[in-house]
Amino acid sequence: AQTVTQSQPEMSVQEAETVTLSCTYDTSESNYYLFWYKQPPSRQMILVIRQEAYKQQNATENRFSVNFQKAAKSFSLKISDSQLGDTAMYFCATGTASKLTFGTGTRLQVTL
Amino acid sequence: KAGVTQTPRYLIKTRGQQVTLSCSPISGHRSVSWYQQTPGQGLQFLFEYFSETQRNKGNFPGRFSGRQFSNSRSEMNVSTLELGDSALYLCASSLARDSNYNEQFFGPGTRLTVL
Repeated sequence: AQTVTQSQPEMSVQEAETVTLSCTYDTSESNYYLFWYKQPPSRQMILVIRQEAYKQQNATENRFSVNFQKAAKSFSLKISDSQLGDTAMYFCATGTASKLTFGTGTRLQVTL
Repeated sequence: KAGVTQTPRYLIKTRGQQVTLSCSPISGHRSVSWYQQTPGQGLQFLFEYFSETQRNKGNFPGRFSGRQFSNSRSEMNVSTLELGDSALYLCASSLARDSNYNEQFFGPGTRLTVL
């Protein structure tokens, strides 16, 4: 069984600032992946970044990076230089193959 | 390449009716997964189809069923609709090659309202 917990229902950040979204997870899988998905208002869910659990190096995609702490089962997302277009629901997820378990999401609002 | 498409986008039904939702995956993708998104329960995995066979199943009652066709298009069916079935139903497709990682690409969803 897998569980994902996002303890921040809502967050706000000013444009150009940095924000970190938290996520903890639990899984019985030995080989798994972790993901952050973004769901903008009334738009499709898209993958922001992924981390392979067997890799120690933290994943980075442009302004998005993760802090993966395997022993603590923590997987936070850092967004640098926040932009208005980053306003969205952010979901942390874990899974294997084509079955994902999602957290409840963090609503991020980027303000001027 | 066209993305994942879902039809219809919006649907209103009454309790007791049944409904069929359709998902067309990205060309070449063989796996289709379905998720239910509600404000109370969040995103929950329904099932996954690969090569016309159900490969994974979530914890939903038997009223929720699905199938996949030879062209990888998938349908899900909900029978005897209940008010609690009101949700956004998301479909996601992936290549499903022989590796543990398959990025899932999501469709826009079908918003089902049960009155």
